[in-house]
Amino acid sequence: QQPVQSPQAVILREGEDAVINCSSSKALYSVHWYRQKHGEAPVFLMILLKGGEQKGHEKISASFNEKKQQSSLYLTASQLSYSGTYFCGANNDMRFGAGTRLTVKP
Amino acid sequence: SAVISQKPSRDICQRGTSLTIQCQVDSQVTMMFWYRQQPGQSLTLIATANQGSEATYESGFVIDKFPISRPNLTFSTLTVSNMSPEDSSIYLCSGITGFGGNNEQFFGPGTRLTVL
Repeated sequence: QQPVQSPQAVILREGEDAVINCSSSKALYSVHWYRQKHGEAPVFLMILLKGGEQKGHEKISASFNEKKQQSSLYLTASQLSYSGTYFCGANNDMRFGAGTRLTVKP
Repeated sequence: SAVISQKPSRDICQRGTSLTIQCQVDSQVTMMFWYRQQPGQSLTLIATANQGSEATYESGFVIDKFPISRPNLTFSTLTVSNMSPEDSSIYLCSGITGFGGNNEQFFGPGTRLTVL
C-alpha cells in the first residue's frame, strides 16, 4: 500500500517556506524523499531511518515520526530550483506516494 | 552511486506490436525495478527484476504482458507486449546498491512510449 502525501500541490513565492507530509497505514522503518523535475527522472534527496531522525539537504530538511508512521519534508526559504514534484517512499516495498507538486514563483 | 541509461528514450508504436526497453547500469546493483509513470502522476511499480530468475510482479501486472529479463547485475529489459493505447506512458528502471530500506534508489531517464 502506497504512502499518502499532502498537500497535492503547493504554490510559493521565492523565500517562503513549505511543509509536505507523508503518512503510512503500515509501520515504517525508513522513508525516502525524491524530487522530480518536469521531464526528468526522480532524484534522491534523503533517507530517514530511525524514529525522530531529522536530516537536511541544502535548506530542505525532513523528520520521521516512527510512532505516528509519518514523515514531513520542510522546505525553508524556497528557491526557484525547488520547483518540481516531491515523492515520498516507504522503502520496505518500493512504492511511492502520489506526489506533491511544488511551484516556486519569483 | 550508479548511473542508469535506458534505450530507447522514446518510441511511437502501433497497436498490437511489442517494444523492448533496455536498462543499463554503470555499476553492479543488488536490486532493479521497473516503474510506469503517466504524465503528472506518481510512479507505479511494475515489478522487481530478479537476476537469473523470474521477475516479481505487482498486482495488476503480469508476465505475459510485461516480460522482464535480468541476465546479470547491471542489465535488465522490459518488454511491453501486444500494446494498446492504454500502455502509452513513461517507463523507468531503477536500481539500488544494497538491500532493504536504507539505500538510495537511482533512476534511469525513462522511456516515453506512445501507442497509436
